[in-house]
Amino acid sequence: DAEITQSPRHKITETGRQVTLACHQTWNHNNMFWYRQDLGHGLRLIHYSYGVQDTNKGEVSDGYSVSRSNTEDLPLTLESAASSQTSVYFCASSPGRGPKSTDTQYFGPGTRLTVL
Amino acid sequence: DQQVKQNSPSLSVQEGRISILNCDYTNSMFDYFLWYKKYPAEGPTFLISISSIKDKNEDGRFTVFLNKSAKHLSLHIVPSQPGDSAVYFCAASYSNSGYALNFGKGTSLLVTP
Repeated sequence: DAEITQSPRHKITETGRQVTLACHQTWNHNNMFWYRQDLGHGLRLIHYSYGVQDTNKGEVSDGYSVSRSNTEDLPLTLESAASSQTSVYFCASSPGRGPKSTDTQYFGPGTRLTVL
Repeated sequence: DQQVKQNSPSLSVQEGRISILNCDYTNSMFDYFLWYKKYPAEGPTFLISISSIKDKNEDGRFTVFLNKSAKHLSLHIVPSQPGDSAVYFCAASYSNSGYALNFGKGTSLLVTP
């Protein structure tokens, strides 16, 4: 079955280290997204991509970067991890081929990141 | 600023009764609305959606109502079941903004036996 996976599921790192979270989808979806979920904030968009070599900043992109070298993967990199980036990170994908009014995002299981 | 608002952080309902979750939005350009359900330690899962050309969409026990003039939508779950206990997120987008979604903060629903 087609799916979307994230790895690792849990990560503990230290302030200042570079961290990369992986996201892989097998639906051949054009669009991929990264969100973070924090108490009191819901889901906030970090970065997104509408296709290979396309990347865009979301609402809370400072300190994060992404690259899209193929359809299946959108890794999220924290250049220099900060305690404020302790959060649960969700990757999502959507077909992005039809009308925008019918496009639905499908989410991965999440990565819990702790920055000490 | 928050363009999609879920003003009730939590809701408790008895099994078999109706659950009504509310969502308000401020951006009149939004034309597509979705509800997601999230269990602890899992990613959100798509539940139901509605386009702005409709005022109601039904899928089994779940119905979403859209009131464009009030910029308000609601999710009705009838009858509520204990397995419906989860956090529900309202999300919205508009055609000219691309595919990114704006999410509310979520409402935690507890269905008690």
